[in-house]
Amino acid sequence: QKEVEQNSGPLSVPEGAIASLNCTYSDRVSQSFFWYRQYSGKSPELIMSIYSNGDKEDGRFTAQLNKASQYVSLLIRDSQPSDSATYLCAVIRNYGGSQGNLIFGKGTKLSVKP
Amino acid sequence: GAGVSQSPSNKVTEKGKDVELRCDPISGHTALYWYRQSLGQGLEFLIYFQGNSAPDKSGLPSDRFSAERTGGSVSTLTIQRTQQEDSAVYLCASSLNRGPYEQYFGPGTRLTVT
Repeated sequence: QKEVEQNSGPLSVPEGAIASLNCTYSDRVSQSFFWYRQYSGKSPELIMSIYSNGDKEDGRFTAQLNKASQYVSLLIRDSQPSDSATYLCAVIRNYGGSQGNLIFGKGTKLSVKP
Repeated sequence: GAGVSQSPSNKVTEKGKDVELRCDPISGHTALYWYRQSLGQGLEFLIYFQGNSAPDKSGLPSDRFSAERTGGSVSTLTIQRTQQEDSAVYLCASSLNRGPYEQYFGPGTRLTVT
């Protein structure tokens, strides 16, 4: 079982719609979860972090975490063509605290059609 | 403030040559990470520094890879006797040594081994 799994996509949504990106993880002790956006040819850009069960909103982005189900998601409201990118889910592998390297999923490619 | 910087941005080298890749983290970030991103392989962790020490080198793919960090700041990743399978984008990230442990990436070095 892969540590962090995402649907590779592509996920295609029309402009203005809600894009829903999903991720599951295998390590039950994981405490820190992140979403990165990566445009083609660029490095990953942190867009959301979440540490507690429930929802966390930041502008058009909402991250949702369910530790019992080992599931984290990202919702993008009012999707724009500029949101077209690969979205990477990442989990920290803890070193007995909260510090640690990121374990990444393979990413979901999102395409927002005008 | 300034983000993570990496140099060179691109490096083309012949098989068997040694290369050095440099990373300058965000000022004040004591944790530094090296990752590698290959086509079809996703993002994989290489090594983690806390200050000048490397508590986790588990991701280094072979003994041809080494890294050091001096003065708690700049880090150098060295690949000896490069092979074609070393071709990838090498990414550096840094974070604070306290919560929320968010990691910020540099622009990467694209390494091509011919």
